[in-house]
Amino acid sequence: AQSVTQPDIHITVSEGASLELRCNYSYGATPYLFWYVQSPGQGLQLLLKYFSGDTLVQGIKGFEAEFKRSQSSFNLRKPSVHWSDAAEYFCAVDSGNMLTFGGGTRLMVKP
Amino acid sequence: NAGVTQTPKFRVLKTGQSMTLLCAQDMNHEYMYWYRQDPGMGLRLIHYSVGEGTTAKGEVPDGYNVSRLKKQNFLLGLESAAPSQTSVYFCASSPDRGLMQFFGPGTRLTVL
Repeated sequence: AQSVTQPDIHITVSEGASLELRCNYSYGATPYLFWYVQSPGQGLQLLLKYFSGDTLVQGIKGFEAEFKRSQSSFNLRKPSVHWSDAAEYFCAVDSGNMLTFGGGTRLMVKP
Repeated sequence: NAGVTQTPKFRVLKTGQSMTLLCAQDMNHEYMYWYRQDPGMGLRLIHYSVGEGTTAKGEVPDGYNVSRLKKQNFLLGLESAAPSQTSVYFCASSPDRGLMQFFGPGTRLTVL
């Protein structure tokens, strides 16, 4: 069965610092992978997705993610974090008719 | 174009009461989903639909029923609410499998 693991429940970074959020997945076939962001009290917004092709994908708000098949990973990165990036981030894998989500990583940004 | 809307936004129930959550989308999407979100567990799929008149079970379907009588609406029902169903419920839609899902704003349900 498919699964998604986000090892870091909470991460705190200083504004302007770089960010990497980890995501590992387990899925037998070639995965469709997603990163979503959820601001407090809001629904989920898609940041970026990987279906095939170039393993480095660009998303909105300056985020990017790299698909590494050998490591079953799809880590999210941003070179310089802004205070408005404070939110919860979810990695997800499409496994047929449904998405399987990781437990989420809550990002806090220090001034 | 409102996207995905959910009604109501908040609800408090007593154990044993029933209720229906309504999800509506105006994007003509075939696929619709109901998730519940609990702290530290991400989103878990309750039920989904791949088209009008169809429904299927997700990861955590027990205690819930759904109906998709019209393409634009997907209803989630709780026949006899339990405290374990206290959660935030999200509806989503997508034009096809494997494509991005569009999420509603959520419904916060508390069962006392």
